[in-house]
Formats: sequence, structure tokens, C-alpha cells
Amino acid sequence: QSVLTQPPSASGTPGQRVTISCSGSSSNIGRNYIYWYQRLPQTAPKLLIYRNDQRPSGVPDRFSGSKSGTSASLAISGLRSEDEADYFCAVWDDSLSGSVVFGGGTKVTVL
Amino acid sequence: QVQLVQSGAEVKKPGSSVKVSCKASGVTFSGYGVTWVRQAPGQGLEWMGEIIPLFGTSRYAQNFQGRLTITADESATTGYMELSSLRSEDTAVYYCARTWYGESSSLDYWGQGTLVTVSS
Repeated sequence: QSVLTQPPSASGTPGQRVTISCSGSSSNIGRNYIYWYQRLPQTAPKLLIYRNDQRPSGVPDRFSGSKSGTSASLAISGLRSEDEADYFCAVWDDSLSGSVVFGGGTKVTVL
Repeated sequence: QVQLVQSGAEVKKPGSSVKVSCKASGVTFSGYGVTWVRQAPGQGLEWMGEIIPLFGTSRYAQNFQGRLTITADESATTGYMELSSLRSEDTAVYYCARTWYGESSSLDYWGQGTLVTVSS
């Protein structure tokens, strides 16, 4: 099972706001930056949010990230059909010898 | 256009080794890291390790210590992942990705994935 906990699914109608949570611990989210990725069907993942709340060039401002304590969230506002994808979180974990850990992914469905 | 192009699918016997390549096009690994991640059927993503080609330094997830070797060529355009003593549980899609120096979770470009099947 994944070190970071995400809900397996989320959904909304076009124009709505959808929020995806990512829960971790003091050894990962509690002390390191969180990153979010979008994976469209049959494509390589795309970096969506870095350093908790920063968007790479080209990522619409409809996507936003936040972090509080040992949890983080990705919000998609003004939901669009092309946002239907899997979203997962990633963060460095300082336990043991250290590694990147991932969430299990959340499938967003646009109704 | 930026692409990371990985080598093709492999079928291996238990106990053997596999080496997967990852060639950068439109971008280099110079000043960045090359990370390898895998996803077994029905499982989540698993970080395997990374190399900083500029320094030639590698680090590995504890689960793979002793079995995994990550390298890069001197031109910093191609990365390699070699996994030895393969077992059936190593059947997975293996991905390479470029990461920013000092930020191992920042996988900004990904390869298309390489399916490695371990079967007798």
C-alpha cells in the first residue's frame, strides 16, 4: 500500500471545484515539499504542482496546491472535461535511508 | 520537443538481469537528476533511485540495495537502470524521469515506460 493516502476517486460537473487530499506523516509531508502530477490515459505523467503550491509554466491557474501539517491538497476549479485523469502526490520521505514516496492516485471523473 | 525515450519491452527469466535505457531528446540531464520509478500491476508507483550525472553520484531505495545500478553516459543524454537477480515480483512498468537537482520529487519529464516481464 502507498505511504501517502489519497481517495481513490473524485468527481464533479463542468465548472465545479474538486479537491483531492494527500495524507502523510511527519517524516514526509510534515517536513518536505509536496508535488502533484496528472496522468492522462495512455500518456506519461505531467508535473502539475511543485514545492507545495507552485505551478510550472503552462499549467492553468485552475490548478492550485496547498499544504498544512502532514496533509496536502490539490484543487481543480472550473472543472473541464479534459481534467479527467489520475492525479497523484509525491514527496521525499526522511525515514530509513530516504526515498520519494507516492500517493495511490485519485481518479477524477467529470460527470 | 522534449522527450525521454526508453528502450523496448523485455521478457526475462528469474535470476537474470535487465538493463533499460532512457534517452533524452530536446533536453539534457546535465545539472539535473535521472530518476527511475516502477509500477507493478495493480500497485502504486515505487521510487527506485536516482543519479546526478554531473557528479556521477547515485542513491537507491533500501528495497533495491545491492540489486540496482543506475548510471548515465558522459554526455548526460542517456540514463540506464540495471536490475539484477530478477524475480516475478519485479514484473512492472519501469519509468525514467528527469528531476531537478536537490528536489528528488520533482519529476518534470517522464519516459513512456518500459514493461519488464519476469517469467520462467
